[in-house]
Amino acid sequence: EAQVTQNPRYLITVTGKKLTVTCSQNMNHEYMSWYRQDPGLGLRQIYYSMNVEVTDKGDVPEGYKVSRKEKRNFPLILESPSPNQTSLYFCASSPRTSGQQETQYFGPGTRLLVL
Amino acid sequence: QKEVEQDPGPLSVPEGAIVSLNCTYSNSAFQYFMWYRQYSRKGPELLMYTYSSGNKEDGRFTAQVDKSSKYISLFIRDSQPSDSATYLCAMVSGAQKLVFGQGTRLTINP
Repeated sequence: EAQVTQNPRYLITVTGKKLTVTCSQNMNHEYMSWYRQDPGLGLRQIYYSMNVEVTDKGDVPEGYKVSRKEKRNFPLILESPSPNQTSLYFCASSPRTSGQQETQYFGPGTRLLVL
Repeated sequence: QKEVEQDPGPLSVPEGAIVSLNCTYSNSAFQYFMWYRQYSRKGPELLMYTYSSGNKEDGRFTAQVDKSSKYISLFIRDSQPSDSATYLCAMVSGAQKLVFGQGTRLTINP
């Protein structure tokens, strides 16, 4: 089944404790992206990757890191989480790298609470 | 000012009604326009996308784009309780930046 998977789905952590949220897709997509979704603010892009070893900042990259060593995986790293990073996070992938990003497939989401 | 404005609702209508969801935008560089549907506790899923001004139909759904007014709409005919979800508009500029509206929460009452 073609899908985007994220782990963990739910995470409670404390301020400053490094964490990684994994994202994997089995559709051989070149483009991958991370978003956070907050009430009243909608979906905001954190980072995106056009291909292996190619990453770039989205609208809200502060406090996050990403890496793209393999085509299928795009982990999101929070080196020192803070309470303002409490949010619902979505990973997405798309088969296109130029122009039309409309066909993005989203993972099920990771709900993060930073205490 | 946000690049994309969308009324968050909530919007509640009876089953069978025609639903109209709307977004306005300020960036004339937006070229592609999408509607995503997001059920509770799920990721968004692409519902429709369009490039040009005008209408695009897919079953009970019609997407409408008016580039001169910077206004897009999604119409749902014969609405069903299974249509209850949050609907997000999204737009892409030539720089490949995807920008979402904040979503409208829709409930269809049986």
